[in-house]
Amino acid sequence: AQSVSQHNHHVILSEAASLELGCNYSYGGTVNLFWYVQYPGQHLQLLLKYFSGDPLVKGIKGFEAEFIKSKFSFNLRKPSVQWSDTAEYFCAVNAQGNTGKLIFGQGTTLQVKP
Amino acid sequence: SQTIHQWPATLVQPVGSPLSLECTVEGTSNPNLYWYRQAAGRGLQLLFYSVGIGQISSEVPQNLSASRPQDRQFILSSKKLLLSDSGFYLCAWSWGLTESTGELFFGEGSRLTVL
Repeated sequence: AQSVSQHNHHVILSEAASLELGCNYSYGGTVNLFWYVQYPGQHLQLLLKYFSGDPLVKGIKGFEAEFIKSKFSFNLRKPSVQWSDTAEYFCAVNAQGNTGKLIFGQGTTLQVKP
Repeated sequence: SQTIHQWPATLVQPVGSPLSLECTVEGTSNPNLYWYRQAAGRGLQLLFYSVGIGQISSEVPQNLSASRPQDRQFILSSKKLLLSDSGFYLCAWSWGLTESTGELFFGEGSRLTVL
């Protein structure tokens, strides 16, 4: 069965610090990969996604993620975080052709101190 | 453009009472529909998904059921709520099979408290 593991459950950073959130998945086939974000009081929204091609994908608000197939990883990065990045971040994966049945990680709460 | 709405946003119910959460999608046809439950520190758990009217797949055994009476309507129900049913429930949609990229679009969520 597919699974997703996010290593950091709660991260606290100061503004301008660099961010990397880890995500590993277990599935032997071809996958689509996603990062979703939930800002306080808002609904889940897509941050970025990888389907194929360049393994380095760029999303909204300066976020990027790199798919490393050999490591089954899809880590999220941002060079310099802002207070407004305070949110909960979810990594998700689905098997290609599996009609949107996303499997989510446990989530990482990011708190950015001004 | 497509929109998704679910209601009620907040619900407080006694143990043993029935439940009905409703979700509707506008601006698309034949979407795939999903119910997820979000628990703190446990991410999102897929409860049900549907690829068409009357077609429901259950991912985990539980006290809940789902129905899709119309193409763009998805309902989460229970006949008798348990304390363990408390949580934050999210409805989501994705494009149908032939167009699907796997991306989900989420509703605002419904927070259920069972007392």
